[in-house]
Amino acid sequence: SQKIEQNSEALNIQEGKTATLTCNYTNYSPAYLQWYRQDPGRGPVFLLLIRENEKEKRKERLKVTFDTTLKQSLFHITASQPEDSATYLCALDGGSARQLTFGSGTQLTVLP
Amino acid sequence: NAGVTQTPKFRVLKTGQSMTLLCAQDMNHEYMYWYRQDPGMGLRLIHYSVGEGTTAKGEVPDGYNVSRLKKQNFLLGLESAAPSQTSVYFCASSTGQAVLGANVLTFGAGSRLTVL
Repeated sequence: SQKIEQNSEALNIQEGKTATLTCNYTNYSPAYLQWYRQDPGRGPVFLLLIRENEKEKRKERLKVTFDTTLKQSLFHITASQPEDSATYLCALDGGSARQLTFGSGTQLTVLP
Repeated sequence: NAGVTQTPKFRVLKTGQSMTLLCAQDMNHEYMYWYRQDPGMGLRLIHYSVGEGTTAKGEVPDGYNVSRLKKQNFLLGLESAAPSQTSVYFCASSTGQAVLGANVLTFGAGSRLTVL
């Protein structure tokens, strides 16, 4: 069965640095890979997605890469701020299946 | 615009009791989903619906039932609650169409259920 792993449960970085979160998957060929942000006590919120034929996608301070050969996506937050502290979830989207498979998330803490 | 609204937000049950979680969306979305979220397990799909009057099983459907009698509402029922069903439940919805070419979900705020 398909498996999705986010490289670490928690990541602490200093304000102003770039945070890099990893999402690896096996036994699947997603058409898209999505990233969500989840704050404590709230539901996930969609941030951005990348298609299988795209190498990189940017949105303001966010950047996502997608390597279908390595079966890996990297999520970068540049010039990180304490307000970026949250749990970030990646999700595999088959495109036609209409179901998403979520990773367990990485809790990011940006220290002032 | 309310988006996706879940009720109740918190509930404590005793083993064997039944209850229903209600999800309502005002975005005219076709697809609706129920997930549960447990520490270290990520979001796991319980049941989903691709339209009014239809439901389908997800990854962890045992012990749950659902109904989608109206397009805007998706109900999750527990007929006989067990401690293993202690979790945070999230409802989500999507257009079900190729918006952005992918299935982007809008989530509710969650319902925290404790079964004693």
